[in-house]
Parts: sequence; C-alpha cells; structure tokens
Amino acid sequence: AQTVTQSQPEMSVQEAETVTLSCTYDTSESDYYLFWYKQPPSRQMILVIRQEAYKQQNATENRFSVNFQKAAKSFSLKISDSQLGDAAMYFCALPKNSNSGYALNFGKGTSLLVTP
Amino acid sequence: SQTIHQWPATLVQPVGSPLSLECTVEGTSNPNLYWYRQAAGRGLQLLFYSVGIGQISSEVPQNLSASRPQDRQFILSSKKLLLSDSGFYLCAWNGAGWPGELFFGEGSRLTVL
Repeated sequence: AQTVTQSQPEMSVQEAETVTLSCTYDTSESDYYLFWYKQPPSRQMILVIRQEAYKQQNATENRFSVNFQKAAKSFSLKISDSQLGDAAMYFCALPKNSNSGYALNFGKGTSLLVTP
Repeated sequence: SQTIHQWPATLVQPVGSPLSLECTVEGTSNPNLYWYRQAAGRGLQLLFYSVGIGQISSEVPQNLSASRPQDRQFILSSKKLLLSDSGFYLCAWNGAGWPGELFFGEGSRLTVL
C-alpha cells in the first residue's frame, strides 16, 4: 500500500534562512509522481512542486527545491530565503493507484513557522 | 482555463440535520472528482472519488454519501449529521487516466453543534 510519512509535525525558520521538510514514502509502483502542497491559513491547497520518479534531476521552482532519493524513498522539500508568506502547513503526497482514479495519499503535514 | 468551485464556504449545522456540499469544475470534461476531509490539525482523508457520471467509490464507511449527477458536478451529502462530521471538506479534481496533481476547491468548513 502507498504510504506517506512526515515525521516533523512542526518546524521553525527565521526569515531569509533555509529550511528542509522531510518526507518518506512507500510504493510498489516504478513510475510515479510526488508532490508537495502548501496550505496557508486560508486553507486553499496550493501545489508547490512536483517530481517525476523516472527523472533523476531534482525539481526546482524558484526558492523551492526537492531532494529526491528514489532508492531510499525520500522526498524532502527545501525552502531557501524563507519569507513570512511561506508560513503554512506543508503536505507531501503520492498518487494512490488507478483503482482510486489516482487520488493522492497525503502525509499528516508539517506546520512551518517563519519568524522575523 | 480550468476552475473549481465549492460551496458553501462555511456551514454551522445542528446534530441530526441534513447536509449538502456542492462542487463544480469548469473548463474540462470527464474529470476525476474527489472529496477529502481534514479534521482539525490533521492530514487529508479521502472520502469519495468518482471517475464518471454516476460512478462513486467510497474509501471509508461513514455517515456521508456522494453523488455525481453531471459530468462536472460532485455533491457530498448526509441525511443526519453527527458531531464527528465536523471538519474542513475539500473537493478536488484531476485529469482522467493520469496520475497527476490534484486541483483543489476553496474548501467548506462544517461545524456540527
């Protein structure tokens, strides 16, 4: 079964610093996508970054990048030059399977606090 | 471009009352549709998914039901709400047959008193 584990319920970072959020997962699929979503206080879920498992190159979106270790089934999110607007819940997600229409399976989330 | 809307945004209901949350998607056809629930301080739990009109699958047994009367409309219902139904409900969609990202609605906060 596909599982997603986020072991850090809360993290804190100072403005302009760098923080890394951890995620490990388990899947029997060989090709899959991995996602990081952000949920700010407004509660709207926003896609931060996506990684395709068959690509060895780590995905990057501006200040957000991932460290994807396929063999270790690890998918961490690095936020550089943190800004106050980065404060939110962050969820790591993995698609289930075609039997569920490819719904996403989410981790429990990491609450990121950004301090001035 | 594709958009997704759900309503109402906020709902306060007494125990035992009925529920109807509605979600519509625009700008695409034959989407996969999903209802998730997020309890306070917790992750997202998949409740229902639908890969076509009238096709509903439930992930967990509960007091809720879902329907898809039209291609781009997804409704979450209950005949009698329980206190445990309180939470934040999110509708989402993705393209049929593709394990890609989910696009989420704005969410509906339900408080059952």
